[in-house]
Parts: sequence; C-alpha cells; structure tokens
Amino acid sequence: DAGVIQSPRHEVTEMGQEVTLRCKPISGHNSLFWYRQTMMRGLELLIYFNNNVPIDDSGMPEDRFSAKMPNASFSTLKIQPSEPRDSAVYFCASSFRGPNGELFFGEGSRLTVL
Amino acid sequence: GENVEQHPSTLSVQEGDSAVIKCTYSDSASNYFPWYKQELGKGPQLIIDIRSNVGEKKDQRIAVTLNKTAKHFSLHITETQPEDSAVYFCAASNSGGGADGLTFGKGTHLIIQP
Repeated sequence: DAGVIQSPRHEVTEMGQEVTLRCKPISGHNSLFWYRQTMMRGLELLIYFNNNVPIDDSGMPEDRFSAKMPNASFSTLKIQPSEPRDSAVYFCASSFRGPNGELFFGEGSRLTVL
Repeated sequence: GENVEQHPSTLSVQEGDSAVIKCTYSDSASNYFPWYKQELGKGPQLIIDIRSNVGEKKDQRIAVTLNKTAKHFSLHITETQPEDSAVYFCAASNSGGGADGLTFGKGTHLIIQP
C-alpha cells in the first residue's frame, strides 16, 4: 500500500483565498484524522471521521474551516477565506481502530498564507 | 477534554547514553498511550504504545512505563544512536466510547551528540 497520500505538499497563497487540502487514506482504514502542526501549539486535532461520519470536530478553529469525507477513500479540508495565522503543516492520518490504534500519517501539506 | 503535558521540550544526550521523556495526562478515563517519532519533513510514526492494563512494555532499546495512579508515562531509549535524533510525541486517548481523538503532547526534540 502507498500509505496515506496528501496533496498538495506545499501551498503558498494570499490572505483571503480559498485553500483545499486533500487526503487519500489507506485502503481498509475506517477512521480519518486531520491534524494541524505549528511550533507554538504542536499537533492539534482538527476533526476525525469514523466510517465517513464526523465524530469530533471540536478542534476546528472556526467557521472558515470545513472538512468533508464523501467516501471511504477521500477527504478534503477547506479554509475559506484563508488568513496568515492559518500557516501550518496540515497532516491527515488514518487507522483501522479509531484513535485507539496506530495512526498512519501522510507527509503533510505545508500551507503558507501571505 | 484531555490535556497532555510533555517534558523536556529539548533533550541533548551523548551517543550511547540513555534518554528519558516524561508525560502527564489529565483524563483518568484515558487508557491508550502511544509514542510517535517525527523525522524532519515527515509525518509522525508510531514507535511503541501501552494500554492501561500493563505498567511497562519494552521493544529492543525502547521501553515505556505507565503509572495510572499518578497519571504519567515515560519513554526510555537506551544506547542512543544518531538515528534516534528526531522529535518525539506522547499521546493519550480513551477507548471507552468517548468521541475524543488522540491528544498529543507538544513534543521533545531529542538530539544525539556524537
């Protein structure tokens, strides 16, 4: 298996623009997680899905952030409008045992908002 | 929700010496405690985990101990090698049906001095 695949790997955009990050989880995994990593706040859970249904979105910063999982093999994280404070590395991870088993992380999407 | 504190934030040890990283957690219902290693430019990767029904687990040079009464757990790396240099994260979650995902500590940058 190719592992968790994220795109784009790097994104530079201007404040106010819409950003869409994409994730393909490992086939057969039933849970998908979006994390944000910054120096100041470390790894923060944004949202997690189980069987394509959002279970915990309490980490989503505000209405500018939205996440979808239309099927078991694809998820998106959208930021609209983007702000400089959204600059971070966004990781997608998947597991077959929810948050209580091994999470397999993608290589991340580094977002820079100017 | 769960809060995980991790210390130290940076740890420098001589090659061949041992390294210890400590974490505390706040939610007494947490019962799964993994440790992840993150190398530069990559996503975190699971290196060892422990569940609350055991107090210690070992895998070659890596061991983890858990004290549920005190709500703290530690990672021990013996005979450190240059390839152990990375950022290490502890985490905690509750498998008792709670909706929370995995909560990470802020990470420890481990530097192995040759």
